[in-house]
Amino acid sequence: EIVLTQSPATLSLSPGERATLSCRASQSVSSYLAWYQQKPGQAPRLLIYDASNRATGIPARFSGSGSGTDFTLTISSLEPEDFAVYYCQQRSNWFTFGQGTKLEIK
Amino acid sequence: EVQLVESGGDLVKPGGSLRLSCAGSGFTFSNAYMSWVRQAPGKGLEWVGRIKIKTDGGTTDYAAPVKGRFTISRDDSKNTLYLQMNSLKTDDTAVYYCTTHRAGWFDPWGQGTLVTVSS
Repeated sequence: EIVLTQSPATLSLSPGERATLSCRASQSVSSYLAWYQQKPGQAPRLLIYDASNRATGIPARFSGSGSGTDFTLTISSLEPEDFAVYYCQQRSNWFTFGQGTKLEIK
Repeated sequence: EVQLVESGGDLVKPGGSLRLSCAGSGFTFSNAYMSWVRQAPGKGLEWVGRIKIKTDGGTTDYAAPVKGRFTISRDDSKNTLYLQMNSLKTDDTAVYYCTTHRAGWFDPWGQGTLVTVSS
């Protein structure tokens, strides 16, 4: 099973700041990696797929990068609605998720 | 607009059974691979299993923790996905989401239905 490790577990930032979230895979997943956002009481929402492609309707402040085992989700300038939990997920070998990064308001 | 609506969640005793349903609309259900993903209270996301479309064999795949206990099926005439859960354990307590595979990724998701396994 491919294990995805996200860091940090919690990220405390202020609106307007830049957020950088990391996801590391236990073995190469090529570019088969996605990012999801989940707000309390809501279902996850796809943000980024194939490592760097924004899903439909996702604002340009969200970007993804990386390949192989190291991936990054960047939010260029945080809006109040961006504070949530973010999960990475791979589909190179079945489907596994990282444990999540909670982005909280500082 | 693509919509997925789960139902059937309930409180059930360990060893019991439950069937969840997921009604899809706004897309061609018969052309969509479908998955179930669950989330235990306060925890992360865990893929449960997938069913392919009929033209690709309609076969199913499951995560190790549920293999042999859970069964995914679909009724394309009713645009509905099912998850039959048997021999339930307390560890199966979770919100269960159904989701479609779009370009191989989980998008979108239903609102989820809560399954609580407790005596």
